[in-house]
Amino acid sequence: GDSVTQMEGPVTLSEEAFLTINCTYTATGYPSLFWYVQYPGEGLQLLLKATKADDKGSNKGFEATYRKETTSFHLEKGSVQVSDSAVYFCALSGTGNQFYFGTGTSLTVIP
Amino acid sequence: EAGVAQSPRYKIIEKRQSVAFWCNPISGHATLYWYQQILGQGPKLLIQFQNNGVVDDSQLPKDRFSAERLKGVDSTLKIQPAKLEDSAVYLCASSLGQTSPLHFGNGTRLTVT
Repeated sequence: GDSVTQMEGPVTLSEEAFLTINCTYTATGYPSLFWYVQYPGEGLQLLLKATKADDKGSNKGFEATYRKETTSFHLEKGSVQVSDSAVYFCALSGTGNQFYFGTGTSLTVIP
Repeated sequence: EAGVAQSPRYKIIEKRQSVAFWCNPISGHATLYWYQQILGQGPKLLIQFQNNGVVDDSQLPKDRFSAERLKGVDSTLKIQPAKLEDSAVYLCASSLGQTSPLHFGNGTRLTVT
């Protein structure tokens, strides 16, 4: 069945460091891919999405490119801030609009 | 636009008691989901509705969990009787449909003692 495998955490970075969180997927057909973010004490919020191969989703300085050949959707940001500290979830939407989530990667950014 | 509304925000019950959660999705969103999120894990789908019909309930523990979505709008999720391992955050989400993202409510944090 469809699934998402996400980089294990937690990740701790200094402010202005480069961030990569790896995400790979298994799916039949052509899923849509998403990154969600969960700030402390809050619900999940959509960060960015990509609906077809080679699409790049971007928002708030974060980017991810839908790579069909490597079945990946890695999240990147060039310079993280303390306010980016949160848990990040990779997700896919497959046949029947069913969503599958990764286990989440906790990011802590220290000043 | 108003977001997904959930209540209550927190609930503490003893094992073997029953509990119910309520969700009101974003207006016009035909698809509604209930997820269970155990601390440190990703959300796990319990049930998916399309309007008032069930699309997927394969991971719903049907001996104790039930859900309904009358009139294709609001939904309730019930647990009866609760077990200790049901302690989790219960998330409701809604979506317009294929390729559209999920919009989540703030969730209900359930503690079973």
